[in-house]
Amino acid sequence: QKEVEQNSGPLSVPEGAIASLNCTYSDRGSQSFFWYRQYSGKSPELIMFIYSNGDKEDGRFTAQLNKASQYVSLLIRDSQPSDSATYLCAPKELGTYKYIFGTGTRLKVLA
Amino acid sequence: DGGITQSPKYLFRKEGQNVTLSCEQNLNHDAMYWYRQDPGQGLRLIYYSQIVNDFQKGDIAEGYSVSREKKESFPLTVTSAQKNPTAFYLCATATGGYPGAEAFFGQGTRLTVV
Repeated sequence: QKEVEQNSGPLSVPEGAIASLNCTYSDRGSQSFFWYRQYSGKSPELIMFIYSNGDKEDGRFTAQLNKASQYVSLLIRDSQPSDSATYLCAPKELGTYKYIFGTGTRLKVLA
Repeated sequence: DGGITQSPKYLFRKEGQNVTLSCEQNLNHDAMYWYRQDPGQGLRLIYYSQIVNDFQKGDIAEGYSVSREKKESFPLTVTSAQKNPTAFYLCATATGGYPGAEAFFGQGTRLTVV
């Protein structure tokens, strides 16, 4: 069974701080990695994806990928109370259509 | 209005009944998926389809069935063999298998066994 592990949290950070969300995966065949945000009772929505080693920035969000360590992270700068949600990591295998989701990390941004 | 439409939003099922959840998309995406989410849990893949008239089992297919007769539609039937069907069901679509192809989600159906 291919596994995706995330700390369930909650991760609490003060408003304006940097939130760091981590994800490890077991399948070395994973090629691209998606981060989704899910508000309580709602469906997931894409934040960003990454498939090259290193950093990728999109506004306040930075995804970091280290394939050798099988580790991907999401940094949220200047965290806002509206960022309070569950963040899901989803690796995707090379050449497949399958997204395997982690259990998610619940983030609380304190005003 | 483009997107993914799941219906109904809420569904109640009696013990021993089969129920069908609808998922329709007008995004012209090839791939469609069904995920199940339990409280405080991530998404678990039930079935997915890459093309019309073809589908594959995911990690938790037992007690579920699907069909893909049209590109736009991917209904999920929860059968009486599924012992614990109460959950949030999410339908998703994707454009293909290339690395940057994101999955788009419908609004979900919340199924409760009464």
